[in-house]
Amino acid sequence: GAVVSQHPSWVICKSGTSVKIECRSLDFQATTMFWYRQFPKQSLMLMATSNEGSKATYEQGVEKDKFLINHASLTLSTLTVTSAHPEDSSFYICSAFRTGANGYTFGSGTRLTVV
Amino acid sequence: AQSVAQPEDQVNVAEGNPLTVKCTYSVSGNPYLFWYVQYPNRGLQFLLKYITGDNLVKGSYGFEAEFNKSQTSFHLKKPSALVSVSALYFCAVSPLGNTPLVFGKGTRLSVIA
Repeated sequence: GAVVSQHPSWVICKSGTSVKIECRSLDFQATTMFWYRQFPKQSLMLMATSNEGSKATYEQGVEKDKFLINHASLTLSTLTVTSAHPEDSSFYICSAFRTGANGYTFGSGTRLTVV
Repeated sequence: AQSVAQPEDQVNVAEGNPLTVKCTYSVSGNPYLFWYVQYPNRGLQFLLKYITGDNLVKGSYGFEAEFNKSQTSFHLKKPSALVSVSALYFCAVSPLGNTPLVFGKGTRLSVIA
């Protein structure tokens, strides 16, 4: 079955530093990947859609300069939280899409804590 | 705009009893409907989906869901609840099947032994 690997699972960083989160589709090529953010006890909010080889499409209210998304290959998308602040602390989840099967496969998520 | 409603924040059910987690949607056309489960600090696991065909869809771990077009509902069901399925459940919709999923707010299911 389709597997998406997301790393790291959790990270603690200091305010002002940057953190990179990787999302890899292990056994399929994902032309499109989605990045979500989830606050405690809340639903998943779409942050951006990334397509291989092109710029990501960000949802309204998401700062593209703070949340840098790169989709350099058909199997890897990265989300970099730049100049992180405590309010960026959250659970970030990626999802890779491929036509057919179940369509959307989710990574295991990354718990980011900014101190 | 498309939306998904899960009217219950929490559903409690005794082990062995049937369970239902409700979901209604508002999407134009014929949407793709999904159910996912999330365990603490984990990603989402696919349970089942509806695209077309039989209104009763069977999925993983003995779950099933019934699509009702007239009521725009897609309720998740399980004939006999197990403690191990206690988790957070999300209903989601994709208008075209390849666009970002829109999620409901989630329903926390608690199965009590």
